[in-house]
Amino acid sequence: AQTVTQSQPEMSVQEAETVTLSCTYDTSESDYYLFWYKQPPSRQMILVIRQEAYKQQNATENRFSVNFQKAAKSFSLKISDSQLGDAAMYFCAHNAGNNRKLIWGLGTSLAVNP
Amino acid sequence: DTEVTQTPKHLVMGMTNKKSLKCEQHMGHRAMYWYKQKAKKPPELMFVYSYEKLSINESVPSRFSPECPNSSLLNLHLHALQPEDSALYLCASSQFWPGPETQYFGPGTRLLVL
Repeated sequence: AQTVTQSQPEMSVQEAETVTLSCTYDTSESDYYLFWYKQPPSRQMILVIRQEAYKQQNATENRFSVNFQKAAKSFSLKISDSQLGDAAMYFCAHNAGNNRKLIWGLGTSLAVNP
Repeated sequence: DTEVTQTPKHLVMGMTNKKSLKCEQHMGHRAMYWYKQKAKKPPELMFVYSYEKLSINESVPSRFSPECPNSSLLNLHLHALQPEDSALYLCASSQFWPGPETQYFGPGTRLLVL
């Protein structure tokens, strides 16, 4: 079965510091894609970063970067120089298989302290 | 422009009412999705449309009836809902389905069933 596990239901970080959110997944597929989505309270779900499994290089988007360990099936998100606007629920997801449905983790709620 | 719009933002309805949720995208995407999201949970896939044809129905009760009038529009018709159907309903689109493409989400319609 394809699963995504986010082991940290809640985390907090001080403004301007760095935080890492963990995500592990399980799939028997070799071709798949991994995503981190951010959903601020009462606001829109937006894509933070995306990683193609066939690429060894870790994806980066400004202050957001991933540590993709394919053999370990690990896909953690690092947020550098945290800002108040980074406070949100972060969901890790992957799509694989014939129908490419998104398989979601349960989310990590991130608080940013001033 | 990665924008998916949804109307209305909020909806309150009684169990005997009929209402519709609307979703629109102008990104030229050929796949559109309906998700249901409960508070602090990941989205649950309900329906997938590909080239205006229903491709996935995740065993959703018939009181939810999707419609895709054209490649830019997606509706969800609601009838005889139950209080447990109260949730955030998210629309998403992607370039194609099935495929590795990123799904882009709308802001959602927050539905309360009394």
